Amino acid sequence: RKEVEQDPGPFNVPEGATVAFNCTYSNSASQSFFWYRQDCRKEPKLLMSVYSSGNEDGRFTAQLNRASQYISLLIRDSKLSDSATYLCVVRDGGFKTIFGAGTRLFVKA
Amino acid sequence: GAGVSQSPSNKVTEKGKDVELRCDPISGHTALYWYRQSLGQGLEFLIYFQGNSAPDKSGLPSDRFSAERTGGSVSTLTIQRTQQEDSAVYLCASSSRQGVTGELFFGEGSRLTVL
Repeated sequence: RKEVEQDPGPFNVPEGATVAFNCTYSNSASQSFFWYRQDCRKEPKLLMSVYSSGNEDGRFTAQLNRASQYISLLIRDSKLSDSATYLCVVRDGGFKTIFGAGTRLFVKA
Repeated sequence: GAGVSQSPSNKVTEKGKDVELRCDPISGHTALYWYRQSLGQGLEFLIYFQGNSAPDKSGLPSDRFSAERTGGSVSTLTIQRTQQEDSAVYLCASSSRQGVTGELFFGEGSRLTVL
């Protein structure tokens, strides 16, 4: 079993749609959680951290359920520029940081 | 520059040759990571260094792979006797010690092609 598993995608949605990505992790000792974004042939960049209480950054909302070892990302009012691969990331109590395989999103006009 | 720097950006080599990939992290960052990304795939964790602690090598796929970090700064990933399946983009990232929430900053990667 992979340490971090994500919806494989791709997700094809029209502009303005709401889309949700899910992620599960296997290490119950994991301490920190993130979503990164990777554009085609570019390096990953931090989108947002994920907190137990849930957090929002503009059109993006991230949630964490520690009991179920589940992380989600919700994107509202999708823009063409949101087209990318979204990577679920989990860090243990040290610094070991594991990336999921990513979910590809295509937003169409 | 202020970002993570990797070299070479592209490397083509013949099967069986050794290659060295270099990473220069952001100044002051104590944590340094190596990942591998094959075409269309996610990031595969290889190794990370944190300060003066022993590196976590749990992701290295075989004993042909090794990495070192000199003086707590520059790191070199070495692949001996390269195989075609080693072809991938090798990404380096660094992070400051901000508890466990520190952001990883990535370099642009070294694209390795083994013929």
